[in-house]
Amino acid sequence: DTGVSQDPRHKITKRGQNVTFRCDPISEHNRLYWYRQTLGQGPEFLTYFQNEAQLEKSRLLSDRFSAERPKGSFSTLEIQRTEQGDSAMYLCASSSNKNQAGNTIYFGEGSWLTVV
Amino acid sequence: AQSVTQLGSHVSVSEGALVLLRCNYSSSVPPYLFWYVQYPNQGLQLLLKYTTGATLVKGINGFEAEFKKSETSFHLTKPSAHMSDAAEYFCAVSGNSGYALNFGKGTSLLVTP
Repeated sequence: DTGVSQDPRHKITKRGQNVTFRCDPISEHNRLYWYRQTLGQGPEFLTYFQNEAQLEKSRLLSDRFSAERPKGSFSTLEIQRTEQGDSAMYLCASSSNKNQAGNTIYFGEGSWLTVV
Repeated sequence: AQSVTQLGSHVSVSEGALVLLRCNYSSSVPPYLFWYVQYPNQGLQLLLKYTTGATLVKGINGFEAEFKKSETSFHLTKPSAHMSDAAEYFCAVSGNSGYALNFGKGTSLLVTP
């Protein structure tokens, strides 16, 4: 069990550019989550997958954001036409569905995005 | 919908003193409650969780929390603070109808010698 892996850990990009983050969940975890965390705040839920199906999206996920999990394993989060307000840490997490809502959600180390 | 409120964005304790971090929840369904810890520039690590059963929950690193339905609280405690406990602590809630966690804004714990 290697934990949730995220790549890249840090990304600096110019405003208007597109960026993509990758997340590899714990193997055999069928649930995958994306959160956003800004400085001094708690993580905010963005979206959730069960296997390859995207089951829930937050209102925070504007149309510039898209997340995919094509084969039910790794996931990507793409931000198009980045804005300075997108600067944040993007956290990926995963869990199994054995005990439904009480399952532990395991987090990755996060991907820091700085838009300049 | 479920939400949590963490009282006190910063808490300072002396090494060896009691740690008490407060969390109150709001939930229309029986809640599942969690405490996570975050060290600088790292992801979140689960300290403990309450799902059902015993209301006093013990976690890692000597932390524990008690679910009090009458007070809608889930406060985190540790009898004796260590310097290594200095970190950001987040309370979170999920409910039967959803699986994603809703986090509080966090409490930064400072431990002084």
